[in-house]
Amino acid sequence: EAQVTQNPRYLITVTGKKLTVTCSQNMNHEYMSWYRQDPGLGLRQIYYSMNVEVTDKGDVPEGYKVSRKEKRNFPLILESPSPNQTSLYFCASSQTGTRSDTQYFGPGTRLTVL
Amino acid sequence: DAKTTQPPSMDCAEGRAANLPCNHSTISGNEYVYWYRQIHSQGPQYIIHGLKNNETNEMASLIITEDRKSSTLILPHATLRDTAVYYCIVRVASSGGSNYKLTFGKGTLLTVNP
Repeated sequence: EAQVTQNPRYLITVTGKKLTVTCSQNMNHEYMSWYRQDPGLGLRQIYYSMNVEVTDKGDVPEGYKVSRKEKRNFPLILESPSPNQTSLYFCASSQTGTRSDTQYFGPGTRLTVL
Repeated sequence: DAKTTQPPSMDCAEGRAANLPCNHSTISGNEYVYWYRQIHSQGPQYIIHGLKNNETNEMASLIITEDRKSSTLILPHATLRDTAVYYCIVRVASSGGSNYKLTFGKGTLLTVNP
């Protein structure tokens, strides 16, 4: 089954404790992206990647890092989480070079930083 | 990307057709209309997209007016599981080398009632 998976689905942590949220897709998509969703602010893009070793900032990249060493994986790293990073996070992927532009989203990771 | 306007909420009876409107009066000639939905706190789900012709798939139909300034998403036989926030997004179809970022507005909360 074509899917995007994220782990963990729920995480409660404390300020300053490094964490990684994993994202994996099994569709051989080149494009992957991270969004965060906050009440009243909608979904905002954090980082995106057009292919292996190619990443770029989205609209709200501060406090986050990403890497794309393999095509299927796109982990989101919070080196020193702060309470304002408490949010619902979504990973997405898409095939490039087509005009259908269907994006597939993961189930979400709800992060709470105390 | 052109701006879209959607009603904040709508109700529909189970089994009836749900017609969700979207205004996009500033749409340009190369911009597509996409629809996604998000069931409470789950990852957004692609529904359908179109340029100027009406489109239909297994989930829904998309009717675009001749002047392309508005469109309607039709769920022909709404079920309780269709209760979700529906997002209308207008953007140029992505091509190689560009960010495939989706800009979500506030959408329409469709509530399907028994």
